[in-house]
Amino acid sequence: EAGVVQSPRYKIIEKKQPVAFWCNPISGHNTLYWYLQNLGQGPELLIRYENEEAVDDSQLPKDRFSAERLKGVDSTLKIQPAELGDSAVYLCASSLGLSGGELFFGEGSRLTVL
Amino acid sequence: TQLLEQSPQFLSIQEGENLTVYCNSSSVFSSLQWYRQEPGEGPVLLVTVVTGGEVKKLKRLTFQFGDARKDSSLHITAAQPGDTGLYLCAGAGGNTGKLIFGQGTTLQVKP
Repeated sequence: EAGVVQSPRYKIIEKKQPVAFWCNPISGHNTLYWYLQNLGQGPELLIRYENEEAVDDSQLPKDRFSAERLKGVDSTLKIQPAELGDSAVYLCASSLGLSGGELFFGEGSRLTVL
Repeated sequence: TQLLEQSPQFLSIQEGENLTVYCNSSSVFSSLQWYRQEPGEGPVLLVTVVTGGEVKKLKRLTFQFGDARKDSSLHITAAQPGDTGLYLCAGAGGNTGKLIFGQGTTLQVKP
């Protein structure tokens, strides 16, 4: 069974440019998460979806970040315009949505903003 | 706001040594998970503890959930270079499905 798939793995852009990341969760997983992770630090939640509904986006910087999960399956995270401080790894994870249930992570998308 | 503090933040030891990583909070969690992350990969679940005082063993790794379900520890016996990685604790509160991660402990085991 395929795991969580993310693309691109790496992206280098100049500041003020837009960037988008894509995630395909494990089949049957209703809950999808986007996390931001800085080097050597723990993941920080950006947004959590239950099917196509964003149930927790309190930590998403909505002035420049947006996300969608239109059909309740794959998801896109967009940053426009990117800033130097956005350089990080963006992790996507999915789960069955049970409290305390296991999260399955993708390999992440590493963003470098120059 | 629920916070999880991990200590130490960095740990560099020789192969064969023992170590303990701590995960502490002032909040009560319904369950607590430990993940391990290797460079360039996403975190992978090691264990979930649910009951206060629970102890789980995974080969040379021993995980304990505090009696009050506010803290947890991970003990590794006779560490090996393959144990090198970032160890993350994550707490689940209530029935919201929200998972809060600690800052992580970077472990380096030298041969």
